[in-house]
Amino acid sequence: QSALTQPPSASGSPGQSVTISCTGTSSDVGGFNYVSWYQQHPGKAPKLMIYEVTKRPSGVPDRFSGSKSGNTASLTVSGLQAEDEADYYCSSYGGSNNFPFGTGTKVTVL
Amino acid sequence: EVQLVESGGGLVKPGGSLRLSCAASGFTFSSYNMNWVRQAPGKGLEWVSSITSSSSYIYYADSLKGRFTISRDNAKNSLYLQMNSLRAEDTAVYYCARALVFNAFDIWGQGTMVTVSS
Repeated sequence: QSALTQPPSASGSPGQSVTISCTGTSSDVGGFNYVSWYQQHPGKAPKLMIYEVTKRPSGVPDRFSGSKSGNTASLTVSGLQAEDEADYYCSSYGGSNNFPFGTGTKVTVL
Repeated sequence: EVQLVESGGGLVKPGGSLRLSCAASGFTFSSYNMNWVRQAPGKGLEWVSSITSSSSYIYYADSLKGRFTISRDNAKNSLYLQMNSLRAEDTAVYYCARALVFNAFDIWGQGTMVTVSS
């Protein structure tokens, strides 16, 4: 039940795009279309941004998009805005009824 | 307003026990699977446990090794986490979260801090 692997940091200027990867195995990310992405601002609870790889909950801007290829899922934030600066975590169904999270990525808006 | 409010956190000595509660409001609690997720200070998120809407199925992270017990009372719109044999590494903010579908946790509480220290 290992954590999924994310880069520690990512950055971009306002208006640019940033893509965060989430690497697992064929037993989790690669095996199921149950990848979710969460945004967390300091001192706040996480917020669901993407679920089932590509779906956006109501109220999440379409600047946020998800994809998956093999054992790696990705979150892309287009048109970066200052309020997008936060920590981002992926999550996947890991088989055997567990839900590992990723290691987390700190996104900085330059 | 759809809301989850955790309570019950605090300071406990190693080996001690604590029971967390999560009060739900603004939605039909009995229709949703619920979860506990924790976050150690300065660290990432860690899924702890899940319980289905009618308590038929319960799942735990392997790392807990039987020390934690999740439960719910749909009549009281409440979720619980009984934590026994607490260790320093259990120190974290504990969040309750509603599952929109499967592992998509769409509603989160504000979290309750648990500190295990002598």
